[in-house]
Amino acid sequence: GIQVEQSPPDLILQEGANSTLRCNFSDSVNNLQWFHQNPWGQLINLFYIPSGTKQNGRLSATTVATERYSLLYISSSQTTDSGVYFCAGAQGGSEKLVFGKGTKLTVNP
Amino acid sequence: DGGITQSPKYLFRKEGQNVTLSCEQNLNHDAMYWYRQDPGQGLRLIYYSQIVNDFQKGDIAEGYSVSREKKESFPLTVTSAQKNPTAFYLCASSLAGVLYNEQFFGPGTRLTVL
Repeated sequence: GIQVEQSPPDLILQEGANSTLRCNFSDSVNNLQWFHQNPWGQLINLFYIPSGTKQNGRLSATTVATERYSLLYISSSQTTDSGVYFCAGAQGGSEKLVFGKGTKLTVNP
Repeated sequence: DGGITQSPKYLFRKEGQNVTLSCEQNLNHDAMYWYRQDPGQGLRLIYYSQIVNDFQKGDIAEGYSVSREKKESFPLTVTSAQKNPTAFYLCASSLAGVLYNEQFFGPGTRLTVL
């Protein structure tokens, strides 16, 4: 099955800073999702983005399917952005969404 | 409101006991999933079901069992055979299979074995 690698594992920012999180896949995927896990454990859907670019407020994501990576951009970060960001993907022939180990983001006031 | 509910939020179990975690969805989704998350780790798939009365093992099914008698319900039983059951359990659903459909998650159940 596919391997999902996220970087960096940890990221500490001051409020207002911008950041880029990266997700690499070992093989091509048909489903690619980004999630934010809040301090209570809830996984919030950010983007469903197997290819292309999407934006939602201060967050945007770009997936380059041919290069097997995806980027999540957070602009003007706020303390409420803190938490763990996961990417996950699924490839043809499998019904499994495979998760990376996450990037833990801490935004300080 | 449409969504996925899990109960209980916290569960404590003595060693040797079986416990059942509830997962219900009113999104009319065909596919449902159970994941386990350990501290500082990503999610690992336990079981999944793409249709009523059918389910398949995921990567870490040993010591767990499921049923899918109704479209909206996918309960998970953690049996005494599961060697290290203390973890955070997340239920998810998608309209159909995961390949071309977005997956959504419930709020989770924290299980602690005493």
